[in-house]
Amino acid sequence: GAGVSQSPSNKVTEKGKDVELRCDPISGHTALYWYRQRLGQGLEFLIYFQGNSAPDKSGLPSDRFSAERTGESVSTLTIQRTQQEDSAVYLCASSLIRGRLYGYTFGSGTRLTVV
Amino acid sequence: AQRVTQPEKLLSVFKGAPVELKCNYSYSGSPELFWYVQYSRQRLQLLLRHISRESIKGFTADLNKGETSFHLKKPFAQEEDSAMYYCALSGSGSGGSNYKLTFGKGTLLTVNP
Repeated sequence: GAGVSQSPSNKVTEKGKDVELRCDPISGHTALYWYRQRLGQGLEFLIYFQGNSAPDKSGLPSDRFSAERTGESVSTLTIQRTQQEDSAVYLCASSLIRGRLYGYTFGSGTRLTVV
Repeated sequence: AQRVTQPEKLLSVFKGAPVELKCNYSYSGSPELFWYVQYSRQRLQLLLRHISRESIKGFTADLNKGETSFHLKKPFAQEEDSAMYYCALSGSGSGGSNYKLTFGKGTLLTVNP
């Protein structure tokens, strides 16, 4: 696609429910990243994919969080048994293999609200 | 460990005035530094990268390794520059976390008419 696409753009869920967030990267971008941005905070790294493997998932805050990626395409971030502190904007970005030199291309994010 | 500090949460200037958004970093090797910008209701986008020594929309940023800073500057601010600005760092080299960008908390710039 022309850009990084994320869905849904907004999600309101009840505490304790599971949610799934989707990211469709730019075609040909082998690297994919998930970040979280809480209100008034900077971007917090969650996980990095190179192809469909995740060499670094050190930023996932707990075992309620998981992510997978199909080939060099779509990624889903799943949050189980959501808590209120999970409320944030979840951002996905993609880049070419050496994209760190050129920066990332970000999606518009999914705003998750846990009530 | 990588760390990026943007000491100002908010910065307000008048149109035509010079503007400087501060960024300091902590990294033991040679970093690669970036500025990202997010305009109202738009997605986060790359503004400039130190490696290319470019000037985008009149903005420049110089890497000062002695002071571990990468401040963003523009001599004459415009109203359309009002946005949230994030400084980001990536490690260098073939190993380590050189794929990962570490972001500062951002500075909200308001340019008043």
